[in-house]
Amino acid sequence: EDQVTQSPEALRLQEGESSSLNCSYTVSGLRGLFWYRQDPGKGPEFLFTLYSAGEEKEKERLKATLTKKESFLHITAPKPEDSATYLCAVPFSSGSARQLTFGSGTQLTVLP
Amino acid sequence: ETGVTQTPRHLVMGMTNKKSLKCEQHLGHNAMYWYKQSAKKPLELMFVYNFKEQTENNSVPSRFSPECPNSSHLFLHLHTLQPEDSALYLCASSDRGGTLTDTQYFGPGTRLTVL
Repeated sequence: EDQVTQSPEALRLQEGESSSLNCSYTVSGLRGLFWYRQDPGKGPEFLFTLYSAGEEKEKERLKATLTKKESFLHITAPKPEDSATYLCAVPFSSGSARQLTFGSGTQLTVLP
Repeated sequence: ETGVTQTPRHLVMGMTNKKSLKCEQHLGHNAMYWYKQSAKKPLELMFVYNFKEQTENNSVPSRFSPECPNSSHLFLHLHTLQPEDSALYLCASSDRGGTLTDTQYFGPGTRLTVL
C-alpha cells in the first residue's frame, strides 16, 4: 500500500537551532514530492516540488532534498516565524484512483 | 482577489440545516479539488473536477454534494451532516487536473462545526 510517513510528529527548537524533518514514502514509481507549510487555521502554502532523487531546492532558511525512499526538509537557523506544520505529499495512482497522498505533518515550534 | 478564495471562513450548522461552501480560483487553472482536514489526520481528498467534469469521488457520503459550474468556481453543498463532519474544508486548484505532478494551490479553508 502506498504510504507517506512524516517524522517527528512534533519538534521544538530554540531560535537558531538547525534541524531536519523527514518524509518517507512507499510509492512505486515516484512522480514527484511536494512540501507545504500550514499555519493554524489556514490552508497549506506551497513550498517545493522535487521530482528526482538527488534533487535539492532552497528557499530562505529551508532546503528540501530527495532520495529514492525519503525526503528531508532542512531548517537552518530557524526563527519563530518558521513555526508551522510542515506537510509532504506524494502523487498516488492506482487503477482509477488518482490523488495526492499527504503525510500527517510535523508541527514545528521555534522558541525565541 | 488573488489565488484561491473560500467563503465563508467559519460556519456553524445544525444537523438538519442545508448550507453551501464556495471556492473561487483566480489563477486561470483548469482543475479544482475539495479536501477535508480533521484534527490529527492527514488531508483527505473528497472530489476532483477537471475542466468542470468530476474525475474523482473518493467514496464521499451523499450528504456532500459538489458543483462546478465553470473552471473558476467550485461549491460544496451540505445537508443532513453529522457532528463527525466537523473539520476544515479546503479547496485547491491546479493547472491540469489530470496531471498529479502539477502543484496544487490551496485556499484558506472553511472551518465547519456541526452541532
